[in-house]
Formats: sequence, C-alpha cells, structure tokens
Amino acid sequence: DQQVKQNSPSLSVQEGRISILNCDYTNSMFDYFLWYKKYPAEGPTFLISISSIKDKNEDGRFTVFLNKSAKHLSLHIVPSQPGDSAVYFCAASGVGSARQLTFGSGTQLTVLP
Amino acid sequence: DTEVTQTPKHLVMGMTNKKSLKCEQHMGHRAMYWYKQKAKKPPELMFVYSYEKLSINESVPSRFSPECPNSSLLNLHLHALQPEDSALYLCASSQVGGHNSPLHFGNGTRLTVT
Repeated sequence: DQQVKQNSPSLSVQEGRISILNCDYTNSMFDYFLWYKKYPAEGPTFLISISSIKDKNEDGRFTVFLNKSAKHLSLHIVPSQPGDSAVYFCAASGVGSARQLTFGSGTQLTVLP
Repeated sequence: DTEVTQTPKHLVMGMTNKKSLKCEQHMGHRAMYWYKQKAKKPPELMFVYSYEKLSINESVPSRFSPECPNSSLLNLHLHALQPEDSALYLCASSQVGGHNSPLHFGNGTRLTVT
C-alpha cells in the first residue's frame, strides 16, 4: 500500500517557466512533508519542507503548497533552470522521536534550455 | 559537499564475504538512519538509531547488522548477502523530534553482490 504517491514519473518544462510537481498521501497521521532532489550517483538533497500547521512555505525559487483536506502537496519551481533537472521525491512522516520518512516514487524533471 | 560522509563509494562483494559500510556526520544530530534504494525506486527505511540506540528495525534480514559506536558514526555490517541485496545504501542523520528536522543524506555506497 503506497502511502505517498507521485503519479507523474516524468515532467518536461522549458527553461524560465514554472515546474509543478505533485504528490498525494493517504495517511492522515502524516504531519511533516519534505521535498528532496536527487542527481544520479548522489544521495537525496533536502530542498524544502512544510509542517501540517501551514499551507505554504517558500524558499527562493521553491514553494511548497499543502492541501490537508485533499491530502495533496505540490512543489513549484519558478523560474525553472536546466540545473534543476533531477529526480524529485516527496516524503512524509508522522510525529515521532526520530523521523521515519515514507518516500514517493519520484518524478524525473527535465528542464529544456 | 554533503555533511554526511559515507565510505566506500562503491563496494563489490561475494556472497561469502563480510564487509562494512561506514557513515559519519558532524552536525550534532542524534538520529541516524540506513536506507536502501534500488534502481528506479524510492529509498526504503532499514534502521533508525535515536541517541545511539536502535529504535526501529524494519524487518531487515539478519545478514544486515547495524551498529552505532557513538553519536557521529553509524556502521552497517554485511555478511552472507544475496545478489538481490545489490543496491544503493544511504545513510542519513537528523535532529531528534521537532518540526524542522529534515533528514540529511550522504551520497551512498553502491553495493554489488556477486
């Protein structure tokens, strides 16, 4: 049973435009959500997070939106740059003494010059 | 540069070998993790250490044996592995608890079991 789902395996966007990556979750006990970026042969790099008490968090070109009623979050990248091309994972966890992250299956973003 | 360092970067081992993966962090984090990632799949949690004590074991076979010698180090001892255990093994660390405690990952060890 996939508790965190990324239904788009891939996304192509023109440089300078907005990239929107989507993620759905089923476990209502999740209260902390994160986005990671992963290049080949590297570990996941933390991008941005949001706790369930917020509906938006922004950091530079990256904004994460959380819709708790729909159990949906999205990552907006504006403007998209070729260096953003990577696999993006969303992840979620519940309250605990140590964070157990459940990852989605990832979306390959390609930003075309 | 990642603040979580994993060695070796690559490891090839036979099914009868014993080897160890090492992970080190100096961010003062008191939670450390082992994840396994197969190609085209998301990372899957194996073990969690909190304050140097094993707090979560996700039903991992006993041929994988974790060890946390101190708050900065995490090892994964490997013995009698199977070819299907070939994967990228990722170490991560985080603060314990709190709402702004993302996991920070190392670059992983690419393990091939022959």
